[in-house]
Amino acid sequence: QQQVKQSPQSLIVQKGGISIINCAYENTAFDYFPWYQQFPGKGPALLIAIRPDVSEKKEGRFTISFNKSAKQFSLHIMDSQPGDSATYFCAASDRGSTLGRLYFGRGTQLTVWP
Amino acid sequence: GAGVSQSPRYKVAKRGQDVALRCDPISGHVSLFWYQQALGQGPEFLTYFQNEAQLDKSGLPSDRFFAERPEGSVSTLKIQRTQQEDSAVYLCASSLAGREYEQYFGPGTRLTVT
Repeated sequence: QQQVKQSPQSLIVQKGGISIINCAYENTAFDYFPWYQQFPGKGPALLIAIRPDVSEKKEGRFTISFNKSAKQFSLHIMDSQPGDSATYFCAASDRGSTLGRLYFGRGTQLTVWP
Repeated sequence: GAGVSQSPRYKVAKRGQDVALRCDPISGHVSLFWYQQALGQGPEFLTYFQNEAQLDKSGLPSDRFFAERPEGSVSTLKIQRTQQEDSAVYLCASSLAGREYEQYFGPGTRLTVT
């Protein structure tokens, strides 16, 4: 059973546009929600993360929005650039009981056209 | 660089062969994780070490999979009698003590079983 559900599977955005990727979870014990960026042939790289005590976190052009009651969170990439073209994974962790084990979504392949 | 390194980067094995995949974590990172990433999917947890102790191996798919970290630094993931379904990218990640949720990934080893 997929612990974290991610959509869309693929996304095409014009340069300068906003990319939005959504994730949902069921396990209310999850208390850490990172997003990873992966380029072909590379390992995932931590992009930005949020804890459930805040509703939004912004780092540069990347923003996570978190809705605890709906058990959903999303990544917004503002002013999308061709260099942002990559696969993005949301993840979740229960820091208390699973010692850092990350549960990943299936990924979103983002293509930004120049 | 000071990142997580993995070797070999690519491995082709005939069905039934044994393989050993190596991970060198970031210096000073006591926690080490192995994940399996099938084509087009998100990483799936395999096992977790804190120093030399294997604290969680619940994600290992069968008893053909074995991981060790005898001196608390370098780790080896061994797969015995490889099967075609073992074909995947095997990712290693490491983290600081107490921050297991912030994992830094290596580039992975792409295993192809023919």
